[in-house]
Amino acid sequence: KQEVTQIPAALSVPEGENLVLNCSFTDSAIYNLQWFRQDPGKGLTSLLLIQSSQREQTSGRLNASLDKSSGRSTLYIAASQPGDSATYLCAVRQGGSEKLVFGKGTKLTVNP
Amino acid sequence: ETGVTQTPRHLVMGMTNKKSLKCEQHLGHNAMYWYKQSAKKPLELMFVYSLEERVENNSVPSRFSPECPNSSHLFLHLHTLQPEDSALYLCASSQDGPLVANPHGTQYFGPGTRLTVL
Repeated sequence: KQEVTQIPAALSVPEGENLVLNCSFTDSAIYNLQWFRQDPGKGLTSLLLIQSSQREQTSGRLNASLDKSSGRSTLYIAASQPGDSATYLCAVRQGGSEKLVFGKGTKLTVNP
Repeated sequence: ETGVTQTPRHLVMGMTNKKSLKCEQHLGHNAMYWYKQSAKKPLELMFVYSLEERVENNSVPSRFSPECPNSSHLFLHLHTLQPEDSALYLCASSQDGPLVANPHGTQYFGPGTRLTVL
Protein backbone atom coordinates (compact mmCIF):
# COMPACT_ATOMS: atom_id res chain seq x y z
CA LYS A 1 0.00 0.00 0.00
CA GLN A 2 1.40 3.35 -1.06
CA GLU A 3 2.17 5.78 1.73
CA VAL A 4 3.26 9.37 1.28
CA THR A 5 5.07 11.24 4.03
CA GLN A 6 5.82 14.94 4.15
CA ILE A 7 8.41 16.52 6.37
CA PRO A 8 8.26 18.89 8.14
CA ALA A 9 4.59 19.09 9.13
CA ALA A 10 4.94 22.84 9.67
CA LEU A 11 7.57 25.40 8.79
CA SER A 12 7.90 29.08 9.64
CA VAL A 13 10.49 31.22 7.85
CA PRO A 14 11.26 34.92 7.42
CA GLU A 15 10.47 36.56 4.11
CA GLY A 16 13.17 36.18 1.46
CA GLU A 17 14.47 32.85 2.66
CA ASN A 18 14.94 29.90 0.32
CA LEU A 19 13.34 26.72 1.58
CA VAL A 20 12.86 23.04 0.81
CA LEU A 21 9.85 20.86 1.47
CA ASN A 22 10.28 17.12 1.46
CA CYS A 23 8.06 14.29 0.28
CA SER A 24 8.74 10.55 0.36
CA PHE A 25 6.73 7.62 -0.96
CA THR A 26 7.00 3.89 -0.35
CA ASP A 27 6.09 2.41 -3.75
CA SER A 28 8.13 3.61 -6.72
CA ALA A 29 5.60 2.32 -9.31
CA ILE A 30 4.09 5.71 -9.96
CA TYR A 31 2.91 7.55 -13.09
CA ASN A 32 3.69 10.96 -11.73
CA LEU A 33 4.09 13.11 -8.65
CA GLN A 34 2.34 16.37 -8.08
CA TRP A 35 2.72 19.28 -5.70
CA PHE A 36 -0.39 21.20 -4.71
CA ARG A 37 -1.02 24.32 -2.69
CA GLN A 38 -4.04 24.65 -0.40
CA ASP A 39 -5.11 27.90 1.19
CA PRO A 40 -7.20 27.70 4.40
CA GLY A 41 -10.71 26.39 3.79
CA LYS A 42 -10.16 26.18 0.05
CA GLY A 43 -9.50 23.63 -2.63
CA LEU A 44 -6.18 22.57 -4.07
CA THR A 45 -4.21 24.36 -6.74
CA SER A 46 -1.74 22.32 -8.78
CA LEU A 47 1.75 23.81 -8.72
CA LEU A 48 3.96 21.32 -10.49
CA LEU A 49 3.53 17.86 -11.99
CA ILE A 50 6.54 15.62 -12.63
CA GLN A 51 6.14 12.57 -14.82
CA SER A 52 7.84 9.39 -13.67
CA SER A 53 10.40 9.73 -16.47
CA GLN A 54 11.36 13.27 -15.48
CA ARG A 55 13.79 14.49 -12.85
CA GLU A 56 12.49 17.98 -12.21
CA GLN A 57 10.03 20.70 -13.15
CA THR A 58 10.29 24.45 -12.68
CA SER A 59 7.70 27.18 -12.52
CA GLY A 60 8.80 30.66 -11.53
CA ARG A 61 10.30 30.53 -8.05
CA LEU A 62 9.31 26.88 -7.61
CA ASN A 63 11.41 23.87 -8.51
CA ALA A 64 10.35 20.29 -7.86
CA SER A 65 12.64 17.30 -8.16
CA LEU A 66 11.86 13.61 -8.33
CA ASP A 67 14.08 10.65 -7.49
CA LYS A 68 11.76 7.76 -8.22
CA SER A 69 14.19 5.01 -7.29
CA SER A 70 14.67 6.36 -3.78
CA GLY A 71 11.02 7.41 -3.42
CA ARG A 72 11.72 11.09 -2.80
CA SER A 73 10.69 14.49 -4.07
CA THR A 74 11.56 17.98 -2.96
CA LEU A 75 9.86 21.30 -3.57
CA TYR A 76 12.26 24.22 -3.54
CA ILE A 77 10.83 27.70 -3.06
CA ALA A 78 13.20 30.56 -3.77
CA ALA A 79 12.99 34.00 -2.17
CA SER A 80 9.87 33.17 -0.17
CA GLN A 81 7.09 35.74 0.19
CA PRO A 82 4.22 36.10 2.69
CA GLY A 83 1.84 35.18 -0.13
CA ASP A 84 3.50 31.75 -0.24
CA SER A 85 1.97 30.96 3.14
CA ALA A 86 -0.27 27.91 2.65
CA THR A 87 -0.29 24.15 3.09
CA TYR A 88 1.71 22.31 0.45
CA LEU A 89 0.57 18.81 -0.46
CA CYS A 90 2.48 16.13 -2.29
CA ALA A 91 0.57 13.42 -4.16
CA VAL A 92 1.61 10.44 -6.26
CA ARG A 93 -0.46 8.83 -8.97
CA GLN A 94 -0.30 5.07 -8.88
CA GLY A 95 0.38 3.10 -12.00
CA GLY A 96 -2.78 1.67 -13.58
CA SER A 97 -5.08 3.72 -11.38
CA GLU A 98 -6.85 7.04 -11.25
CA LYS A 99 -5.94 7.26 -7.61
CA LEU A 100 -3.84 10.05 -6.15
CA VAL A 101 -2.27 9.22 -2.79
CA PHE A 102 -1.64 12.32 -0.73
CA GLY A 103 0.68 13.21 2.11
CA LYS A 104 -0.63 15.12 5.11
CA GLY A 105 1.00 18.30 3.91
CA THR A 106 3.47 20.89 5.16
CA LYS A 107 1.98 24.08 6.55
CA LEU A 108 4.24 26.95 5.53
CA THR A 109 4.20 30.38 7.14
CA VAL A 110 6.34 33.13 5.65
CA ASN A 111 6.68 36.03 8.04
CA PRO A 112 7.06 39.59 6.71
CA GLU B 1 -11.95 30.53 -10.96
CA THR B 2 -10.71 26.96 -11.11
CA GLY B 3 -13.32 25.73 -13.53
CA VAL B 4 -14.69 23.35 -10.90
CA THR B 5 -17.51 24.65 -8.72
CA GLN B 6 -19.07 23.09 -5.65
CA THR B 7 -22.28 23.85 -3.79
CA PRO B 8 -23.02 24.41 -1.05
CA ARG B 9 -19.76 25.73 0.36
CA HIS B 10 -20.87 25.03 3.92
CA LEU B 11 -23.41 22.51 5.20
CA VAL B 12 -24.57 21.64 8.70
CA MET B 13 -26.80 18.61 9.06
CA GLY B 14 -28.19 16.30 11.68
CA MET B 15 -27.53 12.57 11.64
CA THR B 16 -31.03 11.81 10.36
CA ASN B 17 -30.99 14.33 7.51
CA LYS B 18 -30.57 13.65 3.82
CA LYS B 19 -28.60 16.13 1.80
CA SER B 20 -26.65 16.27 -1.45
CA LEU B 21 -23.40 17.90 -2.47
CA LYS B 22 -23.06 19.13 -6.03
CA CYS B 23 -20.01 19.51 -8.22
CA GLU B 24 -19.86 20.96 -11.73
CA GLN B 25 -16.85 21.18 -14.00
CA HIS B 26 -16.63 23.58 -16.93
CA LEU B 27 -13.42 22.17 -18.39
CA GLY B 28 -14.71 19.47 -20.72
CA HIS B 29 -12.99 16.77 -18.69
CA ASN B 30 -13.80 13.06 -18.78
CA ALA B 31 -13.15 12.05 -15.17
CA MET B 32 -14.50 13.36 -11.87
CA TYR B 33 -13.56 12.55 -8.30
CA TRP B 34 -14.80 12.91 -4.73
CA TYR B 35 -12.23 13.33 -1.95
CA LYS B 36 -12.60 13.63 1.81
CA GLN B 37 -10.24 15.81 3.84
CA SER B 38 -10.45 15.30 7.59
CA ALA B 39 -8.43 17.15 10.17
CA LYS B 40 -4.94 15.69 10.64
CA LYS B 41 -5.44 13.05 7.94
CA PRO B 42 -4.26 12.92 4.35
CA LEU B 43 -6.72 13.67 1.61
CA GLU B 44 -8.62 10.43 0.87
CA LEU B 45 -10.07 9.43 -2.48
CA MET B 46 -13.70 8.31 -2.20
CA PHE B 47 -15.00 7.77 -5.74
CA VAL B 48 -13.86 8.09 -9.33
CA TYR B 49 -16.14 8.46 -12.32
CA SER B 50 -14.92 8.27 -15.88
CA LEU B 51 -17.28 8.94 -18.79
CA GLU B 52 -20.15 8.82 -16.27
CA GLU B 53 -19.21 5.33 -15.11
CA ARG B 54 -17.95 4.64 -11.61
CA VAL B 55 -14.49 3.16 -11.93
CA GLU B 56 -13.31 3.26 -8.36
CA ASN B 57 -14.97 3.04 -4.97
CA ASN B 58 -12.42 3.34 -2.22
CA SER B 59 -14.27 1.31 0.45
CA VAL B 60 -16.65 4.12 1.27
CA PRO B 61 -19.63 3.42 3.59
CA SER B 62 -23.01 3.14 1.88
CA ARG B 63 -24.29 6.26 3.66
CA PHE B 64 -22.36 8.09 0.92
CA SER B 65 -23.94 7.59 -2.50
CA PRO B 66 -22.40 9.19 -5.60
CA GLU B 67 -24.22 10.02 -8.80
CA CYS B 68 -22.83 11.19 -12.13
CA PRO B 69 -25.69 12.04 -14.52
CA ASN B 70 -23.33 13.44 -17.17
CA SER B 71 -19.66 14.22 -17.61
CA SER B 72 -20.03 17.74 -16.21
CA HIS B 73 -21.92 17.02 -13.01
CA LEU B 74 -21.20 14.92 -9.97
CA PHE B 75 -23.31 14.56 -6.84
CA LEU B 76 -22.67 13.05 -3.44
CA HIS B 77 -25.87 12.05 -1.67
CA LEU B 78 -25.63 11.89 2.10
CA HIS B 79 -27.92 10.09 4.54
CA THR B 80 -27.72 9.04 8.19
CA LEU B 81 -24.21 10.42 8.55
CA GLN B 82 -22.11 10.25 11.70
CA PRO B 83 -20.28 13.10 13.44
CA GLU B 84 -16.96 11.61 12.28
CA ASP B 85 -18.08 12.27 8.70
CA SER B 86 -17.57 15.97 9.34
CA ALA B 87 -14.86 17.07 6.91
CA LEU B 88 -14.07 19.11 3.82
CA TYR B 89 -15.38 17.28 0.76
CA LEU B 90 -13.49 18.13 -2.40
CA CYS B 91 -14.47 17.46 -5.97
CA ALA B 92 -11.92 17.26 -8.78
CA SER B 93 -11.87 16.62 -12.50
CA SER B 94 -9.27 15.58 -15.04
CA GLN B 95 -9.01 15.07 -18.76
CA ASP B 96 -7.82 11.50 -18.41
CA GLY B 97 -9.86 8.42 -17.72
CA PRO B 98 -9.14 4.70 -17.44
CA LEU B 99 -9.38 4.28 -21.22
CA VAL B 100 -6.22 6.33 -21.60
CA ALA B 101 -3.19 4.06 -21.57
CA ASN B 102 -0.76 6.50 -20.00
CA PRO B 103 -2.58 9.23 -18.12
CA HIS B 104 -0.42 12.26 -17.50
CA GLY B 105 -2.85 15.02 -16.69
CA THR B 106 -3.41 16.87 -13.52
CA GLN B 107 -6.58 16.99 -11.49
CA TYR B 108 -8.33 20.31 -10.99
CA PHE B 109 -10.01 20.80 -7.65
CA GLY B 110 -13.08 22.71 -6.57
CA PRO B 111 -13.16 24.85 -3.41
CA GLY B 112 -14.83 22.13 -1.36
CA THR B 113 -17.90 21.81 0.84
CA ARG B 114 -17.28 22.12 4.57
CA LEU B 115 -19.64 19.56 6.12
CA THR B 116 -20.51 19.47 9.82
CA VAL B 117 -22.62 16.60 11.16
CA LEU B 118 -24.22 17.26 14.51
